[in-house]
Amino acid sequence: AQSVTQLGSHVSVSEGALVLLRCNYSSSVPPYLFWYVQYPNQGLQLLLKYTTGATLVKGINGFEAEFKKSETSFHLTKPSAHMSDAAEYFCAVGGTGFQKLVFGTGTRLLVSP
Amino acid sequence: GAGVSQSPRYKVAKRGQDVALRCDPISGHVSLFWYQQALGQGPEFLTYFQNEAQLDKSGLPSDRFFAERPEGSVSTLKIQRTQQEDSAVYLCASSLRTRQGTSSGNTIYFGEGSWLTVV
Repeated sequence: AQSVTQLGSHVSVSEGALVLLRCNYSSSVPPYLFWYVQYPNQGLQLLLKYTTGATLVKGINGFEAEFKKSETSFHLTKPSAHMSDAAEYFCAVGGTGFQKLVFGTGTRLLVSP
Repeated sequence: GAGVSQSPRYKVAKRGQDVALRCDPISGHVSLFWYQQALGQGPEFLTYFQNEAQLDKSGLPSDRFFAERPEGSVSTLKIQRTQQEDSAVYLCASSLRTRQGTSSGNTIYFGEGSWLTVV
């Protein structure tokens, strides 16, 4: 069985500040890990994914995440927040086979000027 | 089309009414998924197709939910005798290809969703 826990339903940062969104996973098989972003009234857009290989993954819009197996974590970071980053962020875990994804409950990122 | 297309975008149904939600995946995509996203929650898996074959329907919440993809492209999610708890966003997603038992890591592309409100 697989599960995802996102710590903090809301995260508030100032424009230009570091963004850190936390994700911990549980998986009985080597996990594939994903971060998706959802803007209001829109679908999910893939930010980045970890499958195998390098544990530091770079994504779109300046985001990156690091897979830490020992901590079962896949936290999302961005050095400097922009107003346009305000959205809902979802962490998801998948495994082998057809990639049924299990999502966390999401973290809403609020960016203030 | 360029992305996954879903229709209708918004649907208001009276309790007890049947609804049908349509998904046009990205052309050539073999895998198709349906997810349900309740307000304030993350998406939850409903069902998966590989071409026309429905390989997993373990997430369908009741026998009132039915999905099909008869020609391996367009898919329809049907909900019979809708209830208020069915109110949610229904997300369709597709990916290029995958093989059972292997780790493909293919990117899954989501549509904008069909927002269903049951009154």
